[in-house]
This record gives sequence, structure tokens and C-alpha cells, in this order.
Amino acid sequence: DSGVTQTPKHLITATGQRVTLRCSPRSGDLSVYWYQQSLDQGLQFLIQYYNGEERAKGNILERFSAQQFPDLHSELNLSSLELGDSALYFCASSPRTGWREQYFGPGTRLTVT
Amino acid sequence: SQQGEEDPQALSIQEGENATMNCSYKTSINNLQWYRQNSGRGLVHLILIRSNEREKHSGRLRVTLDTSKKSSSLLITASRAADTASYFCAIGGADGLTFGKGTHLIIQP
Repeated sequence: DSGVTQTPKHLITATGQRVTLRCSPRSGDLSVYWYQQSLDQGLQFLIQYYNGEERAKGNILERFSAQQFPDLHSELNLSSLELGDSALYFCASSPRTGWREQYFGPGTRLTVT
Repeated sequence: SQQGEEDPQALSIQEGENATMNCSYKTSINNLQWYRQNSGRGLVHLILIRSNEREKHSGRLRVTLDTSKKSSSLLITASRAADTASYFCAIGGADGLTFGKGTHLIIQP
């Protein structure tokens, strides 16, 4: 158990809908990272927050947004969902910023029908 | 892109044998990391090697890094059934942490 929690574990929704994925980092970790994993694209970095502020952006679509709250938990919002958004979404955390070891949550499996 | 590329894509060996997987990358790096993922679960960090290091050990794991060839290898010795998983290299650099597509390792009992 990495200490990173993600909810929900599974989510099934229809195209055009909006969902929110939630992540609580390990105690004491200030950085939160979001990744998308799909069979064709592999594991793609989406976005990083450090102590409440956006720190780095990867291949995140404009339909997706995230934020990190004062208690350091983070939410990833996915809107106008398309079939191709079906994937595993992982949150990871680390104590500081910088690209060192990250601790991954169990993921949220999103299925868009 | 700094994305690492693992080789082979899949590897099946007998329990007790050693498993070697490789990662190649294209640009300069700050560090290279290896992660394990059991089917459909979160990634687990295994080992990090800095760009100025050549070899690192952790238990049954040995990682080498050759920056002149832009490649790294992960050796798992005395494999066990529980080592069955996908193994990813991740490149830490200016573009963040980028992952390869992984090597799927199957340990046959």
C-alpha cells in the first residue's frame, strides 16, 4: 500500500458527461501528479500540482482540468467525455517537486460508453 | 521526446532464472527510474539511478546505466512467480517523468 488513495475505483459513464476523480496523497507529500494509462498510448503524464499550484503540464486535453486543495488532496475533472477517454487514471505523489520517485495510487478505471 | 523504450515487449522465463530487460532513450536525463505494475494496479517504484551513476543494486534487482549508449538495463535475479508483472522505465528530465510502454514479464512455475 503506497499511502495514496483514489476514489472511485471504477466509473462508468456516457459520452458527453463530466466526471471528477479524487486523489489523496501520502501524508506529508506536497506534489501530486496525474497520469492516464491506455492500451494504445501507454502511460501519459497529464499534470502536476505542488503545494496547491500547477507546476507542470503534460499531454492534458483542454476538456480536462485539475486542482489541488489546501489540504493537498487533488481532483481531476474530465468533461465532454469521449469513448477514447476510457482509461486507467492514476494519481501519484512525492514529497517535493522534481522528477524523483513517485508513489502511485491504485487508479480509477473510467469506462465511457 | 524523452520517452524510454523497453525491450523486449514481453519475456517469459522459468522460476529461478534471471530476467533482463532493457530501456533506451533519446535525450539527456537527470535520472532513470524503474517501476513495476501488477495487472491493472498502481505502479510501484523499484529503483532510481542518477545520470552520474553506472550501477545500482536493491535486493534481487540490479540496474545499470550507460549514458553514452543512452540505455539502461534491469536485471532480476532468481525470479519468483510474484515477479510476474509489467516493468516500466521512466525518464526524469526537462519534460518531466515520461514512461515507456513496458516489458511484460511472465515467470513460469
